[in-house]
Amino acid sequence: DAGVIQSPRHEVTEMGQEVTLRCKPISGHDYLFWYRQTMMRGLELLIYFNNNVPIDDSGMPEDRFSAKMPNASFSTLKIQPSEPRDSAVYFCASSFKPGQGIFTGELFFGEGSRLTVL
Amino acid sequence: AQSVTQLDSQVPVFEEAPVELRCNYSSSVSVYLFWYVQYPNQGLQLLLKYLSGSTLVKGINGFEAEFNKSQTSFHLRKPSVHISDTAEYFCAVSSAGGYQKVTFGTGTKLQVIP
Repeated sequence: DAGVIQSPRHEVTEMGQEVTLRCKPISGHDYLFWYRQTMMRGLELLIYFNNNVPIDDSGMPEDRFSAKMPNASFSTLKIQPSEPRDSAVYFCASSFKPGQGIFTGELFFGEGSRLTVL
Repeated sequence: AQSVTQLDSQVPVFEEAPVELRCNYSSSVSVYLFWYVQYPNQGLQLLLKYLSGSTLVKGINGFEAEFNKSQTSFHLRKPSVHISDTAEYFCAVSSAGGYQKVTFGTGTKLQVIP
């Protein structure tokens, strides 16, 4: 089975440009998470969705960041305008609640999108 | 609120020696605990998890971890490491039956020396 698919794997852009990162979760998973990883701050949760609905976006740094999930198989994270301090690896992860069970927090990560803003 | 502390940022160890990576957590409710591994330029992948039951959990690649509720710890161990174990290891916690947020530690870089 295919895992979480992210694109692009690498993005180099100039300050002020719009950046769009894409994620396809594992089929059947109804939770989707966006994380950012930097040397200074480690792994930070930006936002997560349940059944395509944003549940917690308290980790989104500022209004320049936005995320959408128009359907169960696709999500985007957009930065507009981008700044050098946005340089990081952005991970998408998906998960599921088994049957009538409880969400445990086990996450399935994509390989990440490495963003460099010059 | 919940938090995770990984006490060591880097752990060098010789090949075939044992290793323990330490993790302590803080939470006001029952928790689920996880260890993830990240190889260079890759995403995180699950090594093992504790949800309930036996406090000794076995994972992939010969790793195991023990949940100690009284010490709020979930240390990761391997009796004999290989060069291929060189990676960064993350401990994570989520609240049992409640809010779905998963909190990660800052990671421990395991460097296996030939």
